[in-house]
Amino acid sequence: SQTIHQWPATLVQPVGSPLSLECTVEGTSNPNLYWYRQAAGRGLQLLFYSVGIGQISSEVPQNLSASRPQDRQFILSSKKLLLSDSGFYLCAWSRPGGNTIYFGEGSWLTVV
Amino acid sequence: AQTVTQSQPEMSVQEAETVTLSCTYDTSESDYYLFWYKQPPSRQMILVIRQEAYKQQNATENRFSVNFQKAAKSFSLKISDSQLGDAAMYFCALIGERVYGGSQGNLIFGKGTKLSVKP
Repeated sequence: SQTIHQWPATLVQPVGSPLSLECTVEGTSNPNLYWYRQAAGRGLQLLFYSVGIGQISSEVPQNLSASRPQDRQFILSSKKLLLSDSGFYLCAWSRPGGNTIYFGEGSWLTVV
Repeated sequence: AQTVTQSQPEMSVQEAETVTLSCTYDTSESDYYLFWYKQPPSRQMILVIRQEAYKQQNATENRFSVNFQKAAKSFSLKISDSQLGDAAMYFCALIGERVYGGSQGNLIFGKGTKLSVKP
């Protein structure tokens, strides 16, 4: 069966510091990978998606970037965090050509 | 533009009873998919049930079922025999036509309904 893991689960970072959230998927090949953000009391916003290694599409221009160095690894990064980057970040995957999206456990980011 | 509307910010149900959560949507896509996700206090987003728009038969998953009314663009979730573990935020979501090579992941979410289950 397929599983998805992301870490760290909780992160408190000062303004201006870098960020790296990592996500891996197991049990499937060539998945589509996604990063979402959920602000408090709101639905999810798609940040990035990837259909293959090195292929990243950004949905929202911002202070964040994403990379996919390996088939089942997806990384969310920032060089300098802003207060507004605080939120709950969810990695997700779907099968190639599939429309059902499965989410990881999520990561709480607090920028102070 | 695609939209998803959940008109019930909060709902409450007695344990073992049935509750229905409402969702309406709007899309110009001819082929789309609808989902209900559950987000418990742990915050993980868990897929509850999905419905392909081209299927007339309502989807069911154990105690969870949907009432899909395509003409009315309505997609409600019914939870039967409610359990304490069902307490969570429930999100209705829509994704449009499949793009070759895979979904672009642009799930459109409603604002959610917070479900409380009373013992």
